[in-house]
Amino acid sequence: DAGVIQSPRHEVTEMGQEVTLRCKPISGHNSLFWYRQTMMRGLELLIYFNNNVPIDDSGMPEDRFSAKMPNASFSTLKIQPSEPRDSAVYFCASSPSGFSYNSPLHFGNGTRLTVT
Amino acid sequence: DAKTTQPNSMESNEEEPVHLPCNHSTISGTDYIHWYRQLPSQGPEYVIHGLTSNVNNRMASLAIAEDRKSSTLILHRATLRDAAVYYCIRGDMRFGAGTRLTVKP
Repeated sequence: DAGVIQSPRHEVTEMGQEVTLRCKPISGHNSLFWYRQTMMRGLELLIYFNNNVPIDDSGMPEDRFSAKMPNASFSTLKIQPSEPRDSAVYFCASSPSGFSYNSPLHFGNGTRLTVT
Repeated sequence: DAKTTQPNSMESNEEEPVHLPCNHSTISGTDYIHWYRQLPSQGPEYVIHGLTSNVNNRMASLAIAEDRKSSTLILHRATLRDAAVYYCIRGDMRFGAGTRLTVKP
């Protein structure tokens, strides 16, 4: 079991550039979550998918952020254009179950994004 | 709005038990209570979860109040490696600020 795999581990980009973060959930997990963590705001839920369908994207900060899950083994979080305030650690997590929330989340190691 | 309340920080001595409280007074009848911890420079790690009954696993115990409005995570013998931020969350998977646990040797 390789766990949740996120790439890249670190990303440094300039303001205005497009950034794409990637996540491979644990095989067989039906739910996928994207979180953002900053010192000021803590760990925020951005969006979650169930069976590849976005269920709740109310945490997505604004239209510059978009997330997709084209298949059960891959998801992306895209920021276009990026801004310095987007600097944070972005975590992806997956879970075996869908709406029941009975199953624990398995987190990846995160992507540390720095926008200069 | 995480809808759980935890103390900002707690301290413990090594080898002693630690009781980390959490209030979730607006929890619904079907919401599970989950606990996670986050060590420095790592992603959150699952600790334990439960619905109504007390739960035990190799990492910790979870005591859930009868009215389910609060719960307590119990680390039976704290070690230096248990120093982390501990999060209590409801079924909506939204995290609050958590409790920063310091373990003193």
